[in-house]
Amino acid sequence: GQQLNQSPQSMFIQEGEDVSMNCTSSSIFNTWLWYKQDPGEGPVLLIALYKAGELTSNGRLTAQFGITRKDSFLNISASIPSDVGIYFCAGPQRNAGNMLTFGGGTRLMVKP
Amino acid sequence: ETGVTQSPTHLIKTRGQQVTLRCSSQSGHNTVSWYQQALGQGPQFIFQYYREEENGRGNFPPRFSGLQFPNYSSELNVNALELDDSALYLCASSLETDRQYFGPGTRLTVT
Repeated sequence: GQQLNQSPQSMFIQEGEDVSMNCTSSSIFNTWLWYKQDPGEGPVLLIALYKAGELTSNGRLTAQFGITRKDSFLNISASIPSDVGIYFCAGPQRNAGNMLTFGGGTRLMVKP
Repeated sequence: ETGVTQSPTHLIKTRGQQVTLRCSSQSGHNTVSWYQQALGQGPQFIFQYYREEENGRGNFPPRFSGLQFPNYSSELNVNALELDDSALYLCASSLETDRQYFGPGTRLTVT
């Protein structure tokens, strides 16, 4: 089946720094979703992208839908301690009830 | 808060037993999807229910089964539990779109 590869697997940054992470696939996706998961909680939807080249922001978060439709990027500006968590990209497979395929996640740690 | 609730929060079962997990979808949502998340991994799709019918299934054996009720709430049943079934089980609700909203999950431990 389709697989999503996220990088980096983990990041340890200083508070106030900007963060970049990406997600790549060997297959084309028509939608990209970015979720954040805190320990012991379910994933929370951050941003949804629907069009190649689209750039969408949600506060300090900005995500882009890659032109090839095989990748997506998430940037966090001026990180704060509450940004700590695991960030997942996900893409729906329309031939299987819009089931979401998830990447392995990027674990973000922020040092105050 | 997504409005998606799951019960119970935690559960401990013995190998070979059966378990039922429950999910209440967000108001107005007619689609519920279930995912299994092993420690350190991304969620894996189990199946989806749309208007009380199974609408897609991932690579899980038949001992994983489900139901959706007229009010769109849902159950996940797992028979003959195995140690590898220990995981966080997540349900997500949606309204015929790609945007799926997750509940807090049920942590299942099989001993």
